[in-house]
Amino acid sequence: EIVLTQSPGTLSLSPGERATLSCRASQSVSNGYLAWYQQRPGQAPRLLVYGASSRATGIPDRFSGSGSGTDFTLTISRLEAEDFAVYYCQQYGSFPRTFGQGTKVEIK
Amino acid sequence: ELQLVESGGGLVQPGGSLRLSCAASGFSFSTYWMTWVRLAPGKGLEGVANIKQDGSEKYYVDSVKGRFTISRDNAKNSLYLQMNSLRAEDTAMYYCARDHRGLFDPWGQGTLVTVSS
Repeated sequence: EIVLTQSPGTLSLSPGERATLSCRASQSVSNGYLAWYQQRPGQAPRLLVYGASSRATGIPDRFSGSGSGTDFTLTISRLEAEDFAVYYCQQYGSFPRTFGQGTKVEIK
Repeated sequence: ELQLVESGGGLVQPGGSLRLSCAASGFSFSTYWMTWVRLAPGKGLEGVANIKQDGSEKYYVDSVKGRFTISRDNAKNSLYLQMNSLRAEDTAMYYCARDHRGLFDPWGQGTLVTVSS
């Protein structure tokens, strides 16, 4: 099973700042099948990015994904109030699908 | 509008059973894999089980094999999770999600399962 390690565990930033979230896989993610999900407090997770760098429908362009192989990054260019949430990476290139443990982006 | 609505969660004693349901609308339910994912307190997301369009293939995370059963009724656009022999470590919010080639989208709002005496 592919283990995904996210860092940092918590990111304390102010609105307008740039957020950089990391996701490292224990082995290469097949075909770059790496996704990012956002979970706001009290809400269901929602898909942000798939295929490492493609934004899902309706996702603002301040969210961008990059990376390949074992190292992936989610960048939020300018944090807005609604972006303070927990972010999970997920690999879906091999079974079982696995998630990282999450990065919480909190208001500083 | 794509929508998934879970129900059936609650407080149950260790060793007890619960059946979760997920009602789907706004898409062709019978043409998609479906999945259950849980979020336990202080932990990350974990895929619990998923099921093929016609129910002919089912997969489970090791920790629930032999205790949980996933099923679906395409005529009712519904997904189910029968949970038996529940343990404290099964305490979590349980979400159903449409599974498109391993991508989970959309998700329901979740139903809370608490296993405690």
